[in-house]
Amino acid sequence: QKEVEQDPGPLSVPEGAIVSLNCTYSNSAFQYFMWYRQYSRKGPELLMYTYSSGNKEDGRFTAQVDKSSKYISLFIRDSQPSDSATYLCAMGTNTNAGKSTFGDGTTLTVKP
Amino acid sequence: GAGVSQSPRYKVTKRGQDVALRCDPISGHVSLYWYRQALGQGPEFLTYFNYEAQQDKSGLPNDRFSAERPEGSISTLTIQRTEQRDSAMYRCASSLGGTNTEAFFGQGTRLTVV
Repeated sequence: QKEVEQDPGPLSVPEGAIVSLNCTYSNSAFQYFMWYRQYSRKGPELLMYTYSSGNKEDGRFTAQVDKSSKYISLFIRDSQPSDSATYLCAMGTNTNAGKSTFGDGTTLTVKP
Repeated sequence: GAGVSQSPRYKVTKRGQDVALRCDPISGHVSLYWYRQALGQGPEFLTYFNYEAQQDKSGLPNDRFSAERPEGSISTLTIQRTEQRDSAMYRCASSLGGTNTEAFFGQGTRLTVV
């Protein structure tokens, strides 16, 4: 079983919808939680970064971490066609912050 | 340069040949990471450096894989005696280091072993 599991999708929503993307993990040592967006044929780019538990909001994006349930989420409000991409969750520990463990990604399509 | 630069972008090699993949990180970035990404999967950690020191190489699949960053800037990932299972996208990323874990990824090198 992988340390990080991500809902595989694919996910298709109409423009303006609220999108929920999720990951679960098994390693309780994870303290850093990140969401990356990856467009086709491009490298991943960091969207959101959270340390430990709690919520973080940035524009239309909200990241939530529930360490008690080992569950993280990314919400996208008022989704746009330009949000169509693969979303990857990633996690790291305090003792080895240079190593991130990624989920396999959820592919999102936002239809106009 | 403005971002992380990897070369070559595409590499086709015959089984058994050695290949060297290059990564030029963002100027001033202390940490440099190598990942491998199979189609439809997330990046898989290979190794990382702080300055010229290799901090963790636990993700290198076997002893055919090695990496170096001799002057704390450009890094080379070398795969000896390539096998078909080595075919993948190899991605490099860099960050400022320390507690800053925002890593910037390059566009990758697509390696195909035939």
